[in-house]
Amino acid sequence: DGGITQSPKYLFRKEGQNVTLSCEQNLNHDAMYWYRQDPGQGLRLIYYSQIVNDFQKGDIAEGYSVSREKKESFPLTVTSAQKNPTAFYLCASSSNRDSNTEAFFGQGTRLTVV
Amino acid sequence: DAKTTQPPSMDCAEGRAANLPCNHSTISGNEYVYWYRQIHSQGPQYIIHGLKNNETNEMASLIITEDRKSSTLILPHATLRDTAVYYCIVRVNYGGSQGNLIFGKGTKLSVKP
Repeated sequence: DGGITQSPKYLFRKEGQNVTLSCEQNLNHDAMYWYRQDPGQGLRLIYYSQIVNDFQKGDIAEGYSVSREKKESFPLTVTSAQKNPTAFYLCASSSNRDSNTEAFFGQGTRLTVV
Repeated sequence: DAKTTQPPSMDCAEGRAANLPCNHSTISGNEYVYWYRQIHSQGPQYIIHGLKNNETNEMASLIITEDRKSSTLILPHATLRDTAVYYCIVRVNYGGSQGNLIFGKGTKLSVKP
């Protein structure tokens, strides 16, 4: 089935360690996005990429890094510089071929740093 | 910052229509209005979108005012499974590319039996 897959669903890490969250899509979408969600809050944009080998910072990029070496993949690394990394992370993708196509979201990764 | 304003919460009786308002007074001429919903601890789900005409699909109807400064999402017969946070988003477009999606805090809809 076509879709967007995030893994793992739950992730635990020790404070000070870097951790990479996976996001893969087989929808042939050009654009991909990473969001962070804290309890009771809306989604905040971390990074986005409109095309392979290009990405832009969102509203809360500090302490995060991304890469876009392949169209299908947009991994997010939460670095030790992120002061409060425990959150629900959501990845999304959308097409750039049309002016009004919707974004598809993965089911999220819940990261807990102890 | 989000370009939309929504009430933080609403209640609706099961079987009745749920009308969720959204203000987007600074919307530009080439920006679309999108609606998503998020059920607890899941990824957001696309519902519907529109530019200036009213739209309807199997999930909902979208009514956009003539001046496009506000819109209303209508769930015609709300069920308990419609309990979720509903997000109204204005999609930025530039050139041939999609703009990023800026989410606000949305409206928490509670459908009660």
